[in-house]
This record gives sequence, structure tokens and C-alpha cells, in this order.
Amino acid sequence: DAKTTQPPSMDCAEGRAANLPCNHSTISGNEYVYWYRQIHSQGPQYIIHGLKNNETNEMASLIITEDRKSSTLILPHATLRDTAVYYCIVKSGTASKLTFGTGTRLQVTL
Amino acid sequence: DTAVSQTPKYLVTQMGNDKSIKCEQNLGHDTMYWYKQDSKKFLKIMFSYNNKELIINETVPNRFSPKSPDKAHLNLHINSLELGDSAVYFCASSQDRAGSYEQYFGPGTRLTVT
Repeated sequence: DAKTTQPPSMDCAEGRAANLPCNHSTISGNEYVYWYRQIHSQGPQYIIHGLKNNETNEMASLIITEDRKSSTLILPHATLRDTAVYYCIVKSGTASKLTFGTGTRLQVTL
Repeated sequence: DTAVSQTPKYLVTQMGNDKSIKCEQNLGHDTMYWYKQDSKKFLKIMFSYNNKELIINETVPNRFSPKSPDKAHLNLHINSLELGDSAVYFCASSQDRAGSYEQYFGPGTRLTVT
């Protein structure tokens, strides 16, 4: 599975959009981009995933660049409850396991 | 509620003991997993079962033995516990073994070995 690079930490004001970047320059054609988050002391929570097109669900939007070498997770209106570690994971369509990196610690402040 | 549940939530035990952690999912999923999160917060896969068949077995000491009595349960038994086994253990499940499905995680079991 391709490796990912994320900034270790980011801050965001409550109510503003949080844009979390992820680089995955060695991604292969059959690999998906997944985002999970882990709120303190809880199990990881699935957010969204995509292959090449941009995706949106009730939690977030995922923007994948045309060359697929990077992506951005967008939380449109961050709240204090979105404070968590966000993991960008690249995984093939046939592999079961998730390989977590160090993620980005997002701190949402008043 | 539909969910992935684990018992116990906390487990404190002494070195050398044998302990088990239980996991159950009522989501109707075919695949279940065990992950370990160490004190530095690195989260790593340990095992995965699909319909009671072992499909992932990472480099884990053989003191750890997963057991899947049916596809809704995946228990983790640990023999001869060591200090380094102290961690949070997460169970997860997914619809099937195909990589395109998301995984649902349990709340974790914090194991402390003294």
C-alpha cells in the first residue's frame, strides 16, 4: 500500500472549514484514498473514501487531485466535536487491512 | 444499537497471566479484525478473520491467539502476558474482505500489564 504524508497538526476556528491535506505520490491505479478519524480514547471512525472522483457525504468532502497524488479532506463547518486525529490511508481494492500512519491532529477552537 | 462491542473496557493484570478480550458485531459483517494501539498511539493490524477463516496474521507473537466461534464474534486470547502487551486493543468489522468497504471499530479495551 502507498505511503501517505500528512501535517502533524492543524488548528481551525469553530464554524470555519477545516481543510486537511494528504500527499500520496506513489498511489497506484487500484488504490483508494480513505479517511478515518480518532476522537480521544475512542475507536477510529470512518469518514469517507474515494478512488478518483470527488466525494461528499454528510460528514465531509474529499477532493482528489487529477493525478491522484494528493487529496484534501474538507469538514465544511468544524465544531469542537471534530477535534481528533485524522488519518489518510491509501489501500488497494482487494486488501483488507488498514495501515494507519501518524495522522493530523486537528484542534478546533472557539 | 447496531455496533461493534468489546468486553472488558479495561483490563489490569499481572505479568505471566492469561487473559481474553471478547468482540461481537451485530452488523451482519463477514470480516472482523483486531488492531493494537501502543503508548505512542501507533495503530497496527494484528489479525483478520473472514467467515471464521484467518485471512490476515501480521507479525504477532504466538502468545496471541484469535478465535472466531462464528462470524459475529472474534475473541483475542493472550497467554503469558508481558509488560509490552500493555496497549489499547480495538476490534473492527467490515461488510466483507474486499478492500472497498469501510471498517467499523469498537470502543477499545485498555490492557495494562503490571
